Amino acid sequence: DGGITQSPKYLFRKEGQNVTLSCEQNLNHDAMYWYRQDPGQGLRLIYYSQIVNDFQKGDIAEGYSVSREKKESFPLTVTSAQKNPTAFYLCASSIEGGSSPNYGYTFGSGTRLTVV
Amino acid sequence: AQSVTQLGSHVSVSEGALVLLRCNYSSSVPPYLFWYVQYPNQGLQLLLKYTSAATLVKGINGFEAEFKKSETSFHLTKPSAHMSDAAEYFCAVSVRGYSTLTFGKGTMLLVSP
Repeated sequence: DGGITQSPKYLFRKEGQNVTLSCEQNLNHDAMYWYRQDPGQGLRLIYYSQIVNDFQKGDIAEGYSVSREKKESFPLTVTSAQKNPTAFYLCASSIEGGSSPNYGYTFGSGTRLTVV
Repeated sequence: AQSVTQLGSHVSVSEGALVLLRCNYSSSVPPYLFWYVQYPNQGLQLLLKYTSAATLVKGINGFEAEFKKSETSFHLTKPSAHMSDAAEYFCAVSVRGYSTLTFGKGTMLLVSP
């Protein structure tokens, strides 16, 4: 079955460490996205990529970095510059072309990151 | 830029009662509109979407929503709530031709026996 796999499900980070969250999809979607979810704040866009080897900052990109070397993969690194990284992180993918009637996101099951 | 406002961070209903979750959007161009549901510690699942076809959209699990341009609204309804409907619901908007979604802050639906 096609879908998006996020790993790990739970991740603990010490102060000053960088950590990388994995996101892999086998839906043949062109576009991929990373969102951060905090209680009562909805989902906020961190980064997105519409094509391999290209990505754009979202609303809250500071302290995060991404790469898109393969169509299937869009890892997110939470750097030590992110001062409040404890949150639930969601990866999503979609067909490219927001004008298509088939447009819509497919989400992974999320990674919960906690700073210890 | 587009935005979404969900009225009420929490909505409580009794089992069997009508569910109404409110969503108003702001967009300078015709929008695509979505409702997603999230169960604890899981990703989001698409309930339904409006992409300029019929203004009354039917989704999964008996939910439906009506696009009202004059009111800039896309409220989610279900005639009879089940205990299994207890979850958080998110409304989202995108501008046609542009791929990112903007989400509301979510509404937690509580269903009591």
